[in-house]
Amino acid sequence: GQSLEQPSEVTAVEGAIVQINCTYQTSGFYGLSWYQQHDGGAPTFLSYNALDGLEETGRFSSFLSRSDSYGYLLLQELQMKDSASYFCAGNTGGFKTIFGAGTRLFVKA
Amino acid sequence: NAGVTQTPKFRILKIGQSMTLQCTQDMNHNYMYWYRQDPGMGLKLIYYSVGAGITDKGEVPNGYNVSRSTTEDFPLRLELAAPSQTSVYFCASSSGANVLTFGAGSRLTVL
Repeated sequence: GQSLEQPSEVTAVEGAIVQINCTYQTSGFYGLSWYQQHDGGAPTFLSYNALDGLEETGRFSSFLSRSDSYGYLLLQELQMKDSASYFCAGNTGGFKTIFGAGTRLFVKA
Repeated sequence: NAGVTQTPKFRILKIGQSMTLQCTQDMNHNYMYWYRQDPGMGLKLIYYSVGAGITDKGEVPNGYNVSRSTTEDFPLRLELAAPSQTSVYFCASSSGANVLTFGAGSRLTVL
């Protein structure tokens, strides 16, 4: 089967660093993406890892280890506006992209 | 640049009715997708298309149909609506670089 697993929710304080993990089980895998979704909104693209290693985009970084079928999204200098749901997504080949169930991040003052 | 446009934004259907959710993109993307998102849940892939004239089933295709007659348009048809199809539907497109651009969503309620 094809699936991506993430924690259901994470809580952190403003200014802190938080890591959201994603493990996947899929045959034929072509990279891991991360999306952010605020309540009532549409998902928006954050980051993509095609190869192993770390990708950095401002306060957001994403990591992939294909040998471990594992990735994570790292959010630094947390702000209240980062409170949202975060989804990992995998391209399983043929451009079929499936999503994990999402991690709800609560940022506290 | 409008991106991905979905219509309608909201719709209430009675059980057994049919309807089409419209999706159009102006970015000349080859890849288009339909997802559904139930409250507090992730996105489930219904159907996707890698180009005009080509469609394929996703994770939850039962009760839905799609067509892709042009690069721009990817309508989703619901036949014989059921309460289980109450959800928010998102259309998305991609140039193939693993970056999906989503529409604003269509909220469907089946009573």
